[in-house]
Amino acid sequence: DGGITQSPKYLFRKEGQNVTLSCEQNLNHDAMYWYRQDPGQGLRLIYYSQIVNDFQKGDIAEGYSVSREKKESFPLTVTSAQKNPTAFYLCASRNRANEQYFGPGTRLTVT
Amino acid sequence: KQEVTQIPAALSVPEGENLVLNCSFTDSAIYNLQWFRQDPGKGLTSLLLIQSSQREQTSGRLNASLDKSSGRSTLYIAASQPGDSATYLCAVSHYGQNFVFGPGTRLSVLP
Repeated sequence: DGGITQSPKYLFRKEGQNVTLSCEQNLNHDAMYWYRQDPGQGLRLIYYSQIVNDFQKGDIAEGYSVSREKKESFPLTVTSAQKNPTAFYLCASRNRANEQYFGPGTRLTVT
Repeated sequence: KQEVTQIPAALSVPEGENLVLNCSFTDSAIYNLQWFRQDPGKGLTSLLLIQSSQREQTSGRLNASLDKSSGRSTLYIAASQPGDSATYLCAVSHYGQNFVFGPGTRLSVLP
């Protein structure tokens, strides 16, 4: 079964702690993305990667970091510098026809 | 800068009705447009992808049209069912650039 997995589904952290969200795909896609979704707002791009060992900042990269050491994996770290980290985080990949596929999401709550 | 809007923001219809969801974009030089469905607390599921050279795409009871010159796409849902209740989002992309999402239309189909 091909697809994108994200873990965990729910994550709770104390303010001031860094936390890493996992994203894995077995679709053999080069491009991967991280989005943030807040209630009543559209998806906002955090980081993206077009190829292994390369990634670019999106519209709201401050307080986040990523790595892309393997084609299948694109983890996102939410650092303590992120002012308002509580949100729903979505990982996606893109095929050569420019079609996007999304994972099930991780809901992060920071108190 | 590309902006995507979706009207209406919310829609409630009785079961069995045919309905149309709208997506508008300000820059008509798009590469493709993708429609998604999102259930509460879940990731996005791809419904239809329309390339810029296409006028429409169909999948089952869904039909998406694209009019690039007017910056509009519509998603037509025939014979709506309660299981169609979800938020529907559209996203546009330009060649070599990232996707821009609309805010979504929340659809409720009443039994």
